[in-house]
Amino acid sequence: QSVLTQPPSVSGAPGQRVTISCTGGSSNIGAGYDVHWYQQLPGTAPKLLIFGNTNRPSGVPDRFSGSKSGTSASLAITGLQVEDEADYYCQSYDRLSGSVFGGGTKLTVL
Amino acid sequence: EVQLVESGGNLVQPGGSLRLSCAASGFTFSTYWMSWVRQAPGKGLEWVANIKQDGSEKSYVDSVKGRFTISRDNAKNSLYLQMNSLRAEDTAVYYCARGGGRSPFDYWGQGTLVTVSS
Repeated sequence: QSVLTQPPSVSGAPGQRVTISCTGGSSNIGAGYDVHWYQQLPGTAPKLLIFGNTNRPSGVPDRFSGSKSGTSASLAITGLQVEDEADYYCQSYDRLSGSVFGGGTKLTVL
Repeated sequence: EVQLVESGGNLVQPGGSLRLSCAASGFTFSTYWMSWVRQAPGKGLEWVANIKQDGSEKSYVDSVKGRFTISRDNAKNSLYLQMNSLRAEDTAVYYCARGGGRSPFDYWGQGTLVTVSS
């Protein structure tokens, strides 16, 4: 059972918008710690997608955006593309447990 | 170009030991927190351990405390994970990642597979 809670799966058609939620608590997201998001394509290592709640590393398309409010955060993907099909993980810091990840969300592009 | 290359993964019996290494290049290794993150087959990501730039601070997930030891050699641009008293539940791909603590994991290696089985 992960400290951060994500939906196991989401899906959308090409061109659509999808969001992935990440719910934490008062010792992690709610304590003000940043949320980061990672994309893991099948058979590859994770890749940083969003850092510091809302920031995109160089090279990440602006179709990907992040937000944070209270004890939760969200990743939004607009203009969904087939190549976006992957597992997505949120991550933060927890003052009781150290670095923590969400359980991951599998995005299916229909 | 930042590169992280792990090595040392293998098949080991329960109760055995293994030492993972991560060779870093393309950045000033001594100025970054470094971490190990693992992923059991078909499962999600789990942070395992991290170490401060000068090695003065180390943290571990509860399930490996007392069994795993993270270390680094800044002169060799290398990160290590000594794993003792291995259990079946330690079976995973182990990734070396730059970052940790309150910082994101901004670069990852390709991973090395550790299998604990008799």
